Amino acid sequence: EPEVTQTPSHQVTQMGQEVILRCVPISNHLYFYWYRQILGQKVEFLVSFYNNEISEKSEIFDDQFSVERPDGSNFTLKIRSTKLEDSAMYFCATFGALGHGYTFGSGTRLTVV
Amino acid sequence: AQSVTQLDSHVSVSEGTPVLLRCNYSSSYSPSLFWYVQHPNKGLQLLLKYTSAATLVKGINGFEAEFKKSETSFHLTKPSAHMSDAAEYFCVVTIGYAGNMLTFGGGTRLMVKP
Repeated sequence: EPEVTQTPSHQVTQMGQEVILRCVPISNHLYFYWYRQILGQKVEFLVSFYNNEISEKSEIFDDQFSVERPDGSNFTLKIRSTKLEDSAMYFCATFGALGHGYTFGSGTRLTVV
Repeated sequence: AQSVTQLDSHVSVSEGTPVLLRCNYSSSYSPSLFWYVQHPNKGLQLLLKYTSAATLVKGINGFEAEFKKSETSFHLTKPSAHMSDAAEYFCVVTIGYAGNMLTFGGGTRLMVKP
């Protein structure tokens, strides 16, 4: 069963620092996403990425956030200057119409201190 | 626009009894609907999906759900709960089945008593 792989599984960072969360999508999937889940709250959409550009983003995804596919395989989420309220579980997901549909990674738990 | 309401934030059942987790959706267009399960400190695992084919959908681990357009519902059921079913369950909606963003419900925590 193909998987979406996320690294690291846990990250602790100081407020104001930059973090990069990494994802390796399923190889023949073309749509990529980041979602987040603040502890005790629902899973929220951040951004979708298709054909090497952002196709949709939520109001959460402000100028502090950016995404890219630096090498054609990894898909990254960068938070430039982390805030305490960025502490959450961040999920990468991919979509392929044939077969697996939407597949989520196991998440990165980000703690900002 | 689309939205999802999970009617119960917590459901408690005894092992061996039926499970019913309720979900109502709103969508301007033909929806695709999903149920995901999240075990403690784990990722999101797809249980089943409805994408405009059969309205009764069977998933993994004995779960199934029925799409009822007239009631805008997609309730998740299982005839007999196991202890291992204890987890958080999310009902999810999207428009069509073409890579659009997913909208999650608030989740239902299922507790299974021995």
